[in-house]
Amino acid sequence: SQKIEQNSEALNIQEGKTATLTCNYTNYSPAYLQWYRQDPGRGPVFLLLIRENEKEKRKERLKVTFDTTLKQSLFHITASQPADSATYLCALQSGGSYIPTFGRGTSLIVHP
Amino acid sequence: SQTIHQWPATLVQPVGSPLSLECTVEGTSNPNLYWYRQAAGRGLQLLFYSVGIGQISSEVPQNLSASRPQDRQFILSSKKLLLSDSGFYLCAWTGDTHTTEAFFGQGTRLTVV
Repeated sequence: SQKIEQNSEALNIQEGKTATLTCNYTNYSPAYLQWYRQDPGRGPVFLLLIRENEKEKRKERLKVTFDTTLKQSLFHITASQPADSATYLCALQSGGSYIPTFGRGTSLIVHP
Repeated sequence: SQTIHQWPATLVQPVGSPLSLECTVEGTSNPNLYWYRQAAGRGLQLLFYSVGIGQISSEVPQNLSASRPQDRQFILSSKKLLLSDSGFYLCAWTGDTHTTEAFFGQGTRLTVV
């Protein structure tokens, strides 16, 4: 069955360091991959979208990579800040469906 | 600009009582609409989606139902709530292409007691 895996353990890092979050998938051929941020008690907010033919996408301090051979996406936050603390979700869309399927998310905690 | 409204923000309901959660979208037409549920420590589980008025697709068999009486209105209902229906319910909309992101409502925290 299709599966999207994100590390269930929280990632703790020091302010100023680069945070790297992982999204792995199996039995899936996504054409598009998105990353969202979710704060406690709130709905997810879109951050970045990357297509299957794109290797890397950047937006300010954010960088996303997409390796369809490894079936993996990495999400990087450089120069992390305590305000970056949140849960980050990846979502996949196949070429035949616009419906985003979400992973469980990884909690990021940036310590001052 | 587009906005999505979802209410109520929190709800405590007894087992066996009915449920009605409403979601409306402004600033766009013909949106694809979704209901997700997020249990504690779990991911977003897609419950229903709709591509148009009166068109509802169910992803998970359960005692919940959805309706889309108007283009920008999506309603989640239950005739009799179960304890297992507790969770965080999120309404979302997307365009009908892959290059548009999902926009989420504020969510409804439902506790069935």
